[in-house]
Amino acid sequence: DAKTTQPTSMDCAEGRAANLPCNHSTISGNEYVYWYRQIHSQGPQYIIHGLKNNETNEMASLIITEDRKSSTLILPHATLRDTAVYYCIVHQGAQKLVFGQGTRLTINP
Amino acid sequence: EPEVTQTPSHQVTQMGQEVILRCVPISNHLYFYWYRQILGQKVEFLVSFYNNEISEKSEIFDDQFSVERPDGSNFTLKIRSTKLEDSAMYFCASRTRATWAGFEQFFGPGTRLTVL
Repeated sequence: DAKTTQPTSMDCAEGRAANLPCNHSTISGNEYVYWYRQIHSQGPQYIIHGLKNNETNEMASLIITEDRKSSTLILPHATLRDTAVYYCIVHQGAQKLVFGQGTRLTINP
Repeated sequence: EPEVTQTPSHQVTQMGQEVILRCVPISNHLYFYWYRQILGQKVEFLVSFYNNEISEKSEIFDDQFSVERPDGSNFTLKIRSTKLEDSAMYFCASRTRATWAGFEQFFGPGTRLTVL
């Protein structure tokens, strides 16, 4: 079973920042937090990952709390194309990805 | 930008028939995976493959399933005798070995398998 808890759905206005929370209270010391998204029926797409420091790339920012029990994915300027299901996954190394239900993010014009 | 490709995009077959789903992973990647997603459900892990052998498989991956990397570029999933419940999207994924590059997996666009 997935080791993370995410809200089922969220809405965000186009152009605003979308903040997607994730709880992973049982994360172990060598596990990373990964975020993927799945745009309708397409293959999951990697977004970003982190261990304990905050991370930023061209797609998003990842904020991980100091105790590592939760994190927030930030899409700074959401567009309609960001409408997707977002998955927060904790895993280590070459392990399989265990997908939960994710958060269905809808960006509204 | 390199990407994982999958063929066919849609496969329709009769129950009991054999199907082979094909994937071309990213060329310098060494770990390969198959996942499936039944319509409206979660993405589920099927099998991982490294160094020409299965490294992990799920309960779904029973004797009817097999994987192969026949020629160093293709990675195939075979279902010997398809059942109605095998109808799903099948995603191939791959990742590099280099730890500096992280452990992110790159997914293909999927093959939609419909078993009639």
